[in-house]
Amino acid sequence: NAGVTQTPKFQVLKTGQSMTLQCAQDMNHEYMSWYRQDPGMGLRLIHYSVGAGITDQGEVPNGYNVSRSTTEDFPLRLLSAAPSQTSVYFCASSYTPSRGTGELFFGEGSRLTVL
Amino acid sequence: AQSVTQLDSHVSVSEGTPVLLRCNYSSSYSPSLFWYVQHPNKGLQLLLKYTSAATLVKGINGFEAEFKKSETSFHLTKPSAHMSDAAEYFCVVSDFVNNTPLVFGKGTRLSVIA
Repeated sequence: NAGVTQTPKFQVLKTGQSMTLQCAQDMNHEYMSWYRQDPGMGLRLIHYSVGAGITDQGEVPNGYNVSRSTTEDFPLRLLSAAPSQTSVYFCASSYTPSRGTGELFFGEGSRLTVL
Repeated sequence: AQSVTQLDSHVSVSEGTPVLLRCNYSSSYSPSLFWYVQHPNKGLQLLLKYTSAATLVKGINGFEAEFKKSETSFHLTKPSAHMSDAAEYFCVVSDFVNNTPLVFGKGTRLSVIA
């Protein structure tokens, strides 16, 4: 049982480069989200989606783009990488409230370094 | 708006002694509350959750938490710490009535000394 799968696990970028972090879940969850984790800051929400075709901004959306064309996939795009985007990124998914308690299922994380 | 405050950024206990990780929340509605654990270089795993049923919630690995509405608290406890409990712990609040995203606390790092 795969759960939430993130790729790549590690990535090094140069300033100005673009890249996409992939996230896929096989639990038919409506809700998907991206967080970044930085020391002493906890997890901060970047973008989230409550279903295919619907996305919304979280606490720290600048410099990131998302789309949700299918229920399973929720890629996160860095448009022009900056050193401030060096972080560990987590994708998480859950059922929406009408179908569950909102427990989030997390991927293993993607460690991104921007030089 | 919701918020959650973890009162200690770092807690250190000796193996076999009790664990207390403190969490206070703010929510305009009846919240759902969660504790997640993150071991080094791993993703987050659900430890326990409160969703308006019993106020004392039991989770995995001997952890439990008590929802106290009058104190707006949801502290995590364990009677006897084990070396494997050393990890980062996150308190999370959610207002699913309005379908808003979860809000995470900044985390408490638990160290267990042999």
